[in-house]
Amino acid sequence: GAVVSQHPSWVICKSGTSVKIECRSLDFQATTMFWYRQFPKQSLMLMATSNEGSKATYEQGVEKDKFLINHASLTLSTLTVTSAHPEDSSFYICSAPRVTNYEQYFGPGTRLTVT
Amino acid sequence: ELKVEQNPLFLSMQEGKNYTIYCNYSTTSDRLYWYRQDPGKSLESLFVLLSNGAVKQEGRLMASLDTKARLSTLHITAAVHDLSATYFCAVDSVKGSQGNLIFGKGTKLSVKP
Repeated sequence: GAVVSQHPSWVICKSGTSVKIECRSLDFQATTMFWYRQFPKQSLMLMATSNEGSKATYEQGVEKDKFLINHASLTLSTLTVTSAHPEDSSFYICSAPRVTNYEQYFGPGTRLTVT
Repeated sequence: ELKVEQNPLFLSMQEGKNYTIYCNYSTTSDRLYWYRQDPGKSLESLFVLLSNGAVKQEGRLMASLDTKARLSTLHITAAVHDLSATYFCAVDSVKGSQGNLIFGKGTKLSVKP
């Protein structure tokens, strides 16, 4: 089946530094990808829509200057958490839709810890 | 604003028993999804429901969709311990688009022997 990968799977960084997370669709092209955030024991919240060839669309309350999204190709989207703070510690999950079967494929997630 | 409500949020079951998880959503949507999440893991797709009256079954799980009532159910038959996980329903929030999902809060299922 379709696979979406993420890298890294976990990262620890110091407060004030930036972290880049990659999301790749491995066997299908995705003009659109999505980034979600999940805090412990909570549900997933949509952060932004990553669009290949154009700017990302951010959900209300998500700082676009803090969470930089780049959709470099039809198979790669990146999320950069800039000037990370401890409150940014979370589980970040990307997804890519496959329009042929209406499925939404989720990556394995990246656990970010900011110290 | 689209809202998705699941109940119950916690469910403790005995093996062999049946139960149903409910998912209500506030506005019309093109699709409804059910996912499973194990602790520390990402989401595993269970079902995509596309139309009114849709029913899908996989093993001990069966999902249905009533678009008029804006209600989906996930029915568990003869539960086994391996079904212990958190189950989420989600709905496409943008009509005509696929993937802007709004999730319910999740139902944490614990199946005890």
